[in-house]
Amino acid sequence: SQTIHQWPATLVQPVGSPLSLECTVEGTSNPNLYWYRQAAGRGLQLLFYSVGIGQISSEVPQNLSASRPQDRQFILSSKKLLLSDSGFYLCAWRSPRRGMAYEQYFGPGTRLTVT
Amino acid sequence: SQQGEEDPQALSIQEGENATMNCSYKTSINNLQWYRQNSGRGLVHLILIRSNEREKHSGRLRVTLDTSKKSSSLLITASRAADTASYFCATPYSGYALNFGKGTSLLVTP
Repeated sequence: SQTIHQWPATLVQPVGSPLSLECTVEGTSNPNLYWYRQAAGRGLQLLFYSVGIGQISSEVPQNLSASRPQDRQFILSSKKLLLSDSGFYLCAWRSPRRGMAYEQYFGPGTRLTVT
Repeated sequence: SQQGEEDPQALSIQEGENATMNCSYKTSINNLQWYRQNSGRGLVHLILIRSNEREKHSGRLRVTLDTSKKSSSLLITASRAADTASYFCATPYSGYALNFGKGTSLLVTP
């Protein structure tokens, strides 16, 4: 069965510090991978998605970046955090098969507080 | 950008009652999905309905889709305290991703 991991679970970082959040998926090959951010009491904002190693699509211009160094690893980074980067970060994966009628599977999330 | 918008934003009912949430979207879609999020957790997929389906059932869940009105509804029958969560509709985006609405927060009290 497939499993998705995210770490850390919680993180408190000062403004201007770097960020690295990691997401890994087990039990599937060549998944589509996604990073979302959820502000308190709000919906999900799609940040990045990837359909293969080294292939990253950015949805929101910001000081965040994403990388996919391995097939089942997705990393969210920042060189200098802003207060507005605080939120709940969720990683998700989906079947790589063509078509749009496939559900996404979410990780447990990382709660980031920038102080 | 967000395409789906859920209504109401918040809903409070008692155990045993039915809960109905609505979702409206803007552009043509070939499927619509509903997800649940318990507080502080990741989202869990509930049900997917395709554009050629008008209604779909899964346990106590009933989802309808009206493509002419660009709207969907999620009905949870005989609600339980464990159904307390936020519920999101999601529509396809760019061929690979999903657009999520802002969600409906459901509170079921004993």
